[in-house]
Amino acid sequence: ELKVEQNPLFLSMQEGKNYTIYCNYSTTSDRLYWYRQDPGKSLESLFVLLSNGAVKQEGRLMASLDTKARLSTLHITAAVHDLSATYFCAVGPGNQFYFGTGTSLTVIP
Amino acid sequence: NAGVMQNPRHLVRRRGQEARLRCSPMKGHSHVYWYRQLPEEGLKFMVYLQKENIIDESGMPKERFSAEFPKEGPSILRIQQVVRGDSAAYFCASSSLSGSSETQYFGPGTRLLVL
Repeated sequence: ELKVEQNPLFLSMQEGKNYTIYCNYSTTSDRLYWYRQDPGKSLESLFVLLSNGAVKQEGRLMASLDTKARLSTLHITAAVHDLSATYFCAVGPGNQFYFGTGTSLTVIP
Repeated sequence: NAGVMQNPRHLVRRRGQEARLRCSPMKGHSHVYWYRQLPEEGLKFMVYLQKENIIDESGMPKERFSAEFPKEGPSILRIQQVVRGDSAAYFCASSSLSGSSETQYFGPGTRLLVL
């Protein structure tokens, strides 16, 4: 079974700082997705990465994909409180998505 | 432009009762996926359906759980004789294509509590 691991699981960071969340997966896949989930809410699609070396940026978030290393990163630049949420990566080699365990991010003023 | 709709949003059942969760995909989407999220965990795939067909139910428990996506109407996830361990958030997602780059769009979820 495909395994998707994220680290860290919990992240507390100060506003204005930078940090990276890592997502490793165990089986070849050229599609990787990042989602955001606020408490008690559904998942909001952030990025779709479809090829090796893909990099996408939206605001203070930037995601990248290295299919050879089976690694994706979500980089946060100059964090603000509004970014506090749980972030999931998901790998979709077939019909179903395999989700990581999630990274719970808290941005402290 | 309605997104994926799920109802009810919250459902409370006593042990042994039945739970029915409904999902209407986004307009134009014919692929529906159900996921379960336990507290503090990621989502786990349960079943993938197209209209009138179950394509992949590898993640769904063999007993008590069933799913359908009829020609008309929403997709239904049915849990018979619920137990406390069924308490979770159940999310439905839809896409217009499968096995492609198309992302899955998620509904607001149904939070099931079994007393």
